[in-house]
Amino acid sequence: AAGVIQSPRHLIKEKRETATLKCYPIPRHDTVYWYQQGPGQDPQFLISFYEKMQSDKGSIPDRFSAQQFSDYHSELNMSSLELGDSALYFCASSRRSSPRGYTFGSGTRLTVV
Amino acid sequence: AQTVTQSQPEMSVQEAETVTLSCTYDTSENNYYLFWYKQPPSRQMILVIRQEAYKQQNATENRFSVNFQKAAKSFSLKISDSQLGDTAMYFCAWVNYGGSQGNLIFGKGTKLSVKP
Repeated sequence: AAGVIQSPRHLIKEKRETATLKCYPIPRHDTVYWYQQGPGQDPQFLISFYEKMQSDKGSIPDRFSAQQFSDYHSELNMSSLELGDSALYFCASSRRSSPRGYTFGSGTRLTVV
Repeated sequence: AQTVTQSQPEMSVQEAETVTLSCTYDTSENNYYLFWYKQPPSRQMILVIRQEAYKQQNATENRFSVNFQKAAKSFSLKISDSQLGDTAMYFCAWVNYGGSQGNLIFGKGTKLSVKP
């Protein structure tokens, strides 16, 4: 079965640089979610999109932005990177009508040096 | 606001024995799902088991089962015949459905160590 695809798997950036993370949801899933997980922490919700429109916002810094494209893939753009942005970034997708199939991607490990 | 509480930061169990991880949640919603996720050292988020709130029957998946007590807002995970590969961080999570929000609310996690 198709899964949620995230790229890249690993990313190393310097402070003040910009990073772009990509997510390809499961076909026919209408909602995409982004989470940030710091070392030893539980995942924190950043932002979600339903049918390509921003649906909900969590603890997403103003330096971050995201969008969902016509093919349903989503990108998380992170600017002016800080050391504290080093984390694992998960994308997940589901159908809003039933989160039974809520599925996570393998994550992108971002290291800011 | 919805909250999920895992009161056991760390647990250990001997291989082949049974262990139960606790989870409680607080919500006024009626339509929701509960999940247990496993996160091994690779840090991939792996679904262990899920429970629909409207189902009274407890979910089971091979060696994993839950004790879902809706009135008490409790959702514990039982792992039978523990294996070394069960060593991981386990997260309990809650999600509403049918409304405008669909993001998971996670507990802080329980680090489980299975000892040979």
